[in-house]
Amino acid sequence: DAGVTQSPTHLIKTRGQQVTLRCSPKSGHDTVSWYQQALGQGPQFIFQYYEEEERQRGNFPDRFSGHQFPNYSSELNVNALLLGDSALYLCASSLDVLPGGYTFGSGTRLTVV
Amino acid sequence: GESVGLHLPTLSVQEGDNSIINCAYSNSASDYFIWYKQESGKGPQFIIDIRSNMDKRQGQRVTVLLNKTVKHLSLQIAATQPGDSAVYFCAETENTDKLIFGTGTRLQVFP
Repeated sequence: DAGVTQSPTHLIKTRGQQVTLRCSPKSGHDTVSWYQQALGQGPQFIFQYYEEEERQRGNFPDRFSGHQFPNYSSELNVNALLLGDSALYLCASSLDVLPGGYTFGSGTRLTVV
Repeated sequence: GESVGLHLPTLSVQEGDNSIINCAYSNSASDYFIWYKQESGKGPQFIIDIRSNMDKRQGQRVTVLLNKTVKHLSLQIAATQPGDSAVYFCAETENTDKLIFGTGTRLQVFP
């Protein structure tokens, strides 16, 4: 049983560019959340998707957007990249009817130069 | 793998000793708490959880204590092993809302 799969594992982008990160949730999970983890800090909540809609959002600008597909997989898009967007981006999946059972992927390391 | 925390508080213990990692949480309305272990190059891994209607919960070699009066959470690891070396985060949530993570503690285990 595969856990949460994220791609790519590493990515280098230039300031001003756009990036798309992908997440496949754990089998049986229907909810996907995205977190940003800067070096030396705990993960910060970006947003959560359920039934293909954004259900909750953290304190992140509109440059951060997402999508959830009918198969529950999800994408995180970041436009107009800033140096400060460099971080580990984590995807966590869960089952809506079983709160708390979050499973995290290994993340995508984004470096903006 | 890359380090997940270069300037985190660090707890150094000898192999076989018990470890206690502390965490202060922020929201008095939080009703569910989780401890995660994060190794270099990996995402957070679930260790143990506790709901606000409990003050103690035990797992295999781990115990979580919750003190709601002072908004404090602790993780106790018995007979610490080299494989326990990692960064440990507490996380809180209210009504299964978003997880709010603490700053993390690096645990180093020496032989």
